[in-house]
Amino acid sequence: DTGVSQDPRHKITKRGQNVTFRCDPISEHNRLYWYRQTLGQGPEFLTYFQNEAQLEKSRLLSDRFSAERPKGSFSTLEIQRTEQGDSAMYLCASSLAPGQFFGPGTRLTVL
Amino acid sequence: GENVEQHPSTLSVQEGDSAVIKCTYSDSASNYFPWYKQELGKGPQLIIDIRSNVGEKKDQRIAVTLNKTAKHFSLHITETQPEDSAVYFCAEDGNKLVFGAGTILRVKS
Repeated sequence: DTGVSQDPRHKITKRGQNVTFRCDPISEHNRLYWYRQTLGQGPEFLTYFQNEAQLEKSRLLSDRFSAERPKGSFSTLEIQRTEQGDSAMYLCASSLAPGQFFGPGTRLTVL
Repeated sequence: GENVEQHPSTLSVQEGDSAVIKCTYSDSASNYFPWYKQELGKGPQLIIDIRSNVGEKKDQRIAVTLNKTAKHFSLHITETQPEDSAVYFCAEDGNKLVFGAGTILRVKS
C-alpha cells in the first residue's frame, strides 16, 4: 500500500510566476482534499473532490487558485501570479471513509 | 462557523510520564474526531480517532475520550517516550477537517 504522494516536495519561485503541484492519492480512495499550512498553525481546508467532482471550495481559495482531478485519480493545484503570502506547505489528503491520510506536502517559497 | 480550540499550545513532560491534550469544538453536527501527529517536515499522520457514538477508545499507549454533551475531546498518551515528541493536532470532521492550532509535545529523557 503506497501512501499519498506529492510532487514536488519543495518549490521556490519568484513573485508573479505560476506554479502547479501534483497529488497522487491512495489508489482506492474516492475523496481527495487540499489543505494549506503555515508555520505554527494547523492545516486549513482549501478544497475537496469526490471522484472528479469538486464539491467544496474554501473562501481561502482565491481566483488565482485552481484545482482539478480530471479522471478521479491524481489532482493538480495551480497557483497563478504567486504572491509572497502564498508561501506555505500545501498538503494533500485522501479518504474512502472518515479518516483522511495525508501526503508529505509541497513546501512553496515565493521570493 | 466551525472552530476547534486546543490546549495547551506546548507541553513538556519527563519520559515515562503521561501527557494530556484537550480540545473543544463548536459544530454540534460533527460526529468524527481524529488526532494527528506531525513531525518536522512531514505531513500529519492519523494516530487515533473516535466517533460520536463512543465515549472512549484506546490503542496501546494512546487513548481518546469524547464528551459530546460538553463538546470536549482529549488525547491521553501514557508512558511517554522521546519519539512521541512532535506536534499533535485535534480535528473535527464534517466533510472537511477543521484543525486545532496544535500542541508541541516535548518528551525529555
